[in-house]
Amino acid sequence: GQNIDQPTEMTATEGAIVQINCTYQTSGFNGLFWYQQHAGEAPTFLSYNVLDGLEEKGRFSSFLSRSKGYSYLLLKELQMKDSASYLCAVSRSGGYQKVTFGTGTKLQVIP
Amino acid sequence: DVKVTQSSRYLVKRTGEKVFLECVQDMDHENMFWYRQDPGLGLRLIYFSYDVKMKEKGDIPEGYSVSREKKERFSLILESASTNQTSMYLCASSRTSGSPEQYFGPGTRLTVT
Repeated sequence: GQNIDQPTEMTATEGAIVQINCTYQTSGFNGLFWYQQHAGEAPTFLSYNVLDGLEEKGRFSSFLSRSKGYSYLLLKELQMKDSASYLCAVSRSGGYQKVTFGTGTKLQVIP
Repeated sequence: DVKVTQSSRYLVKRTGEKVFLECVQDMDHENMFWYRQDPGLGLRLIYFSYDVKMKEKGDIPEGYSVSREKKERFSLILESASTNQTSMYLCASSRTSGSPEQYFGPGTRLTVT
């Protein structure tokens, strides 16, 4: 079976750094996605980690530890527009077509 | 600009009706997906297709069927709509090789009364 856990809600201050954690238990792990979803909009791709370690893309970084079943998304220099839900998702064996999503973390950025 | 479009943004249907949700992508992607998104449950995969006329069940296929007659179009069919199928339905597409990201459509908010 698949199980993905991430916090339901987080609040952070504009300009600060926030880390959104995701733990997973899954059979046949391929890689881990992070998506951003603004209210009322479609999810948009942020990152895909296959190997252990940190990958940086501008203000956003994503980390993966396969042995621990753990990932985090790090957002730096928070902006008001970063207020959104952040979805952790795992791709399973047989290719990355089969993806299981977590329930998402709703991040509120406050002035 | 990559595009996934869905036939309706909002849809209201009655219990027992047959419902068609259409999705079209213009990126020549091999894979297409149907998800439903519900509060507290997240995105759940209903069906996906990796080629024309090919399909595989996702995690919650009961009560749904799909059709993919052309590469760019993937339809979700609710044979007999029920109130527990009231949800946001999201279509997505992706390549088989290269970047694994899925591109999502804007969603269809379906209400079954």
